[in-house]
This record gives sequence, C-alpha cells and structure tokens, in this order.
Amino acid sequence: RKEVEQDPGPFNVPEGATVAFNCTYSNSASQSFFWYRQDCRKEPKLLMSVYSSGNEDGRFTAQLNRASQYISLLIRDSKLSDSATYLCVVFSGNTGKLIFGQGTTLQVKP
Amino acid sequence: EAQVTQNPRYLITVTGKKLTVTCSQNMNHEYMSWYRQDPGLGLRQIYYSMNVEVTDKGDVPEGYKVSRKEKRNFPLILESPSPNQTSLYFCASSSPRGSSYEQYFGPGTRLTVT
Repeated sequence: RKEVEQDPGPFNVPEGATVAFNCTYSNSASQSFFWYRQDCRKEPKLLMSVYSSGNEDGRFTAQLNRASQYISLLIRDSKLSDSATYLCVVFSGNTGKLIFGQGTTLQVKP
Repeated sequence: EAQVTQNPRYLITVTGKKLTVTCSQNMNHEYMSWYRQDPGLGLRQIYYSMNVEVTDKGDVPEGYKVSRKEKRNFPLILESPSPNQTSLYFCASSSPRGSSYEQYFGPGTRLTVT
C-alpha cells in the first residue's frame, strides 16, 4: 500500500463547478500536511498547508481528518486556470521525510 | 530573486556515460533533496541533505550519488546511467522552521538515457 494515495483522475469539470479531491495516508505519526500544485512539465509549488481545524484560502478549502487519516481539498467556482495536477504531501516526523502522492489531475473546461 | 536552479534542463545521454546534474539555491536553506518523477509513481525522493556534509538516502537511491560540500549546492551524480533512470528530476530546498516545511523546487531536468 502506498504511504499517500490519491485518485489520479482526471477530473473534468465545467467552469464554475465545485470539485473535491481526497487523499489518504498510512502513517499515523504524520505531522504536517500540504497541497501542492503542479502545472504540466513544471515544478510543484505549495498551494496551501492543511491544519487540523481546516483552513481556507479564497476559493480553496483544505480539511484534515486525523482519525480517518485523510486530507481533502475543495475548489469552489473553478476557473480554467485551476487546471493542473494537485499533489497531496505528508510530512512524517519519525522519518523526517516529505511523502508525495501521485497527484490528481484537474481539467476545467469552458 | 529567491530560487532553486538546475542544470542542464534537458539531457540526452547514452548508457554508462557519467553525468552530473547541478542544483543551487540562494535562500540559505539547510535542507536540500532530489526527487525523480515518473508517470503513475509520483515524486520519489532519491537523496536528501540536512546540512553541509550530511546526506542520506531517500526511497530510490540506487544508481545515484550526491555531495553537499557547500550549503548552496547539491549536485546529483549518475556514475553509470541506465535507461531506467530516464525520468524528470527535481531538486528542492527548504528551511524547516517551526511547522513550515515548504519545499522550493527547481525547474526540473528531463533526462533521457538511451
């Protein structure tokens, strides 16, 4: 079983739609959680950190459920520019490593 | 401008010919690492370094070497490249202070080994 699992998609949605991605992780000792965005053939960039209480940044909302060991990302009012691959990332303090999920691809269509 | 640079960006080489991919950061970060990205497998860590002269294996270190003689540089060395090392490589750096572990990535090096 992979340490961090995501549905690879692709998710094809129309502009203005709300879309949600989930990610599960296997190491219960994981400490920190992030969503990164990666555009085609480009480097990943931090989208947002994920906090236990949930956090919001504009149209993006991230949630963490430690009991069930999953993280979610909600994108409201999708824009064409949101088309990208979204990477779920988990930091494990006992290994000192960042573990990346394989990514979920989003295509927003006009 | 704060950045991570990698060179070369694209490289086509033949099996067995030693190569080095350079990585440099100007943010005075302690932590640097190398990843490879392959379709369906995501980003996998090759090697990482917590500071100068401190390096450690990641998840897929076989066939690679690294060194960290200076804080800003972290070259990746393939002593005898093989076709299964054809991949997209990213260097990254960070400075884990508090709960922030944001990794800054270089632009990537696309390597093809024939």
